[in-house]
Amino acid sequence: QSALTQPPSASGSPGQSITISCTGTSSDIGGYDFVSWYQQHPGKAPKLMISEVTKRPSGVPDRFSGSKSGNTASLTVSGLQAEDEANYYCSSYAGNKILFGGGTKLTVL
Amino acid sequence: EVQLVESGGGLVTPGGSLGLSCAASGLTLSHAWMSWVRQAPGKGLEWVARISTKTNGGTTDYAAPVKGRFTISRDESKNMLFLQMNSLKTEDTAVYYCTKYDSGSFHYWGQGTLVTVSS
Repeated sequence: QSALTQPPSASGSPGQSITISCTGTSSDIGGYDFVSWYQQHPGKAPKLMISEVTKRPSGVPDRFSGSKSGNTASLTVSGLQAEDEANYYCSSYAGNKILFGGGTKLTVL
Repeated sequence: EVQLVESGGGLVTPGGSLGLSCAASGLTLSHAWMSWVRQAPGKGLEWVARISTKTNGGTTDYAAPVKGRFTISRDESKNMLFLQMNSLKTEDTAVYYCTKYDSGSFHYWGQGTLVTVSS
């Protein structure tokens, strides 16, 4: 069982918006503004999409956005595109360790 | 452009040892926090170990499942990162990724190297 809890799957049609949640505790997500989101296509290395809760690295489309409320972080993908179909992982700093969620498989219908 | 290239993966029997290497270009490892992250076949991501910059003392942290068995280190002259893995268990089977760590995030990833622990 992963330290952070994500829904195993999510889906949406092209053009729609979806939100993936990531729930932790006051010792990780709730205690620090160091939540990240990663996109991973099959057979590829993960790619950083969101850092420090809301920051988008250079090259990441502004369709991707992050937020946090209490012990739960969220990734929103607006205007879904076929290439957004992938696995998404959240992570959080937790003192002297980093925790990951179990991953959410996003399907674009 | 930052590039990280892992090597050293392979098949090892339970209880054995293996050393992974990560060659970095586009960044100076002594000035960067670095980390190893692994992914078991068909499973999610798991943080393994982290090393701070030289100015931060080169301190290391480890995930509970590997503490006491794995050692993260770097060679500044070669600009390389290492992960020495001892007393390997079947549950250590995974693709191991070398990553640049900063402010709680893994900003750059290598392509990964597969470690298989099996008799």
